[in-house]
Amino acid sequence: KQEVTQIPAALSVPEGENLVLNCSFTDSAIYNLQWFRQDPGKGLTSLLLIQSSQREQTSGRLNASLDKSSGRSTLYIAASQPGDSATYLCAVWDRDDKIIFGKGTRLHILP
Amino acid sequence: NAGVTQTPKFRVLKTGQSMTLLCAQDMNHEYMYWYRQDPGMGLRLIHYSVGEGTTAKGEVPDGYNVSRLKKQNFLLGLESAAPSQTSVYFCASSLAPAKLSSYEQYFGPGTRLTVT
Repeated sequence: KQEVTQIPAALSVPEGENLVLNCSFTDSAIYNLQWFRQDPGKGLTSLLLIQSSQREQTSGRLNASLDKSSGRSTLYIAASQPGDSATYLCAVWDRDDKIIFGKGTRLHILP
Repeated sequence: NAGVTQTPKFRVLKTGQSMTLLCAQDMNHEYMYWYRQDPGMGLRLIHYSVGEGTTAKGEVPDGYNVSRLKKQNFLLGLESAAPSQTSVYFCASSLAPAKLSSYEQYFGPGTRLTVT
C-alpha cells in the first residue's frame, strides 16, 4: 500500500532564506506527483505537478524535483517571504488512479 | 469560471441526522473526488467518480453515499451522521485520469461539518 511521508511536520525559517521541503513515497510505481499549498481554513491550491517521466518542474521561486527510483521529491522555495507561510502537501497518483496525500509540512516564515 | 464550488460551507448536525453535500465544477472535468481532512490524518479519499453516472469507493467509504447524475455535480450523502464524521470535506475534480496526462486536481474551498 502506497504511503506518503513528509518531514519535517513543521518548519520555521527567517524571511529571505532558501528552504527545502521533503516528501517520500514507498511505491515508485506512480504516474504523477503534485505539490499543494493550503492556507488555514482554506482549500488546496496546486503549486506544481511532475509527471513520472520528468525530473523537475519550476514555477517562479518554486522548484520541485522527483526521483522515482528512490521514492523522493523535494520542493525548493527560494528567497522565502512571510506570504509563503502555509501548509505544503505532497501527493502521488498511484497506478489505481487514486491520489494519496502526505500529512503536510507546516511552514512559518519569520519576518 | 468559478472552478470547484461546495455547498454548504459550514454545517452542524445532530447524531442520526442526514444531509447532502454538493460539489459543482464548471470546467467540464470527467473525474470528481470527495475527501475528508482530519488533524493528524491528512486527506483521505472517500469516493470518486470517473464520469457521469459512475461512482467508486475510496479509502474510507463507510457511512457515505455518492451520486453523479450530472457531469458537473458530485453529491456526498450522510444517511445517519455520527460524531466520527466530524471533519472538513473537500471536493476535487480533474480533466482526465493521471495515467493519460499531466492534468492536475483542482480543489473546492471545503465544507466544515460538526456532528454532535
